[in-house]
Amino acid sequence: DTAVSQTPKYLVTQMGNDKSIKCEQNLGHDTMYWYKQDSKKFLKIMFSYNNKELIINETVPNRFSPKSPDKAHLNLHINSLELGDSAVYFCASSQSNSPLHFGNGTRLTVT
Amino acid sequence: AQSVTQPDIHITVSEGASLELRCNYSYGATPYLFWYVQSPGQGLQLLLKYFSGDTLVQGIKGFEAEFKRSQSSFNLRKPSVHWSDAAEYFCAVGAADSWGKFQFGAGTQVVVTP
Repeated sequence: DTAVSQTPKYLVTQMGNDKSIKCEQNLGHDTMYWYKQDSKKFLKIMFSYNNKELIINETVPNRFSPKSPDKAHLNLHINSLELGDSAVYFCASSQSNSPLHFGNGTRLTVT
Repeated sequence: AQSVTQPDIHITVSEGASLELRCNYSYGATPYLFWYVQSPGQGLQLLLKYFSGDTLVQGIKGFEAEFKRSQSSFNLRKPSVHWSDAAEYFCAVGAADSWGKFQFGAGTQVVVTP
């Protein structure tokens, strides 16, 4: 009955690889997000989708591509992984003008 | 653009003592303010929010926060901390015209000693 679930919880991969992180929410929210938390715990928004439409796209390298097959899912695909991509990636969801509900995060380690 | 400052990176408090975490924001209009808590290996859990109305808001786990427009602050308080309150606490500010594009503070780590 997890509200926002993301998989995998841990992801260890080598530079140059391509990887995906999946996120699903069962709260019926219309908006989903990806946030990145760096090693200093700083949180920054990457993307936001509202009803499958991209509405926030921060200055993120185009190696990062979000995909929303429906409003309950928002996946994040990362091409050609670099060392600097190592971070914890959080998925979140909200209904319009309501607080964000976060998943438990995916810790990505690029070696 | 909005911004958030949490002046205290780290706070150590004894179990049973009171706790206050500071948050200052910068935003032109009335902000939407939040406090989140992050336990190790977990996501962020909403403690409380301020949208409008009463400037003293109550949250979960016995936390409260007070919005002071004149000081651009939204400090979080708890009268008596429990060992389970040890975590990272984040203040965040949002705007109605860019919902979800929250600015988060750098976080305050709270350590609770016996």
